[in-house]
Amino acid sequence: GESVGLHLPTLSVQEGDNSIINCAYSNSASDYFIWYKQESGKGPQFIIDIRSNMDKRQGQRVTVLLNKTVKHLSLQIAATQPGDSAVYFCAENIKGNTPLVFGKGTRLSVIA
Amino acid sequence: GAVVSQHPSRVICKSGTSVKIECRSLDFQATTMFWYRQFPKKSLMLMATSNEGSKATYEQGVEKDKFLINHASLTLSTLTVTSAHPEDSSFYICSARAHNGQYFGPGTRLTVL
Repeated sequence: GESVGLHLPTLSVQEGDNSIINCAYSNSASDYFIWYKQESGKGPQFIIDIRSNMDKRQGQRVTVLLNKTVKHLSLQIAATQPGDSAVYFCAENIKGNTPLVFGKGTRLSVIA
Repeated sequence: GAVVSQHPSRVICKSGTSVKIECRSLDFQATTMFWYRQFPKKSLMLMATSNEGSKATYEQGVEKDKFLINHASLTLSTLTVTSAHPEDSSFYICSARAHNGQYFGPGTRLTVL
């Protein structure tokens, strides 16, 4: 889960549009995945999680999709709002009581 | 949901001094806490796992004598950055494991002059 490169990838969307943020995770043994939102100067906030026995989970305005075949996770945000602007991280938990491993992160910018 | 606090939220210190950062689980007990470090525009990197009543487990490349971790109670873990240098300047984030997930503190911005 270590970031690579100098800058976070950025996704810019118009207010009201849907956003899709993607994440490739590293370990096929991971059984639990979480999406976090991090605003500048703050700690990560839990958004939504999904276990490996599911391929889709919906929350309020957010949906997480899990594709274990290609080790891919996505976060969909419906009707994106300016308050959604932040950096989004996926995190994976390898089986057991191991700590979460974070992905690179994607900066979401919402254009009003 | 579970709340994790950190203190201080930001600290500026001179090179060579030591800085202690506290992490508290406010409404739950946490036998396991984690310390992460985050550089600007980068992801969170796990530094160590803190277990109540026992020694912390450090990730590869993290100096245990420089980053002292103490988890003396079920609600408090501390990270002490000893003999701080400018390259230690970073955003330090703690996390505590509750029965229903892993929750994060608000972070501590450390600036070493």
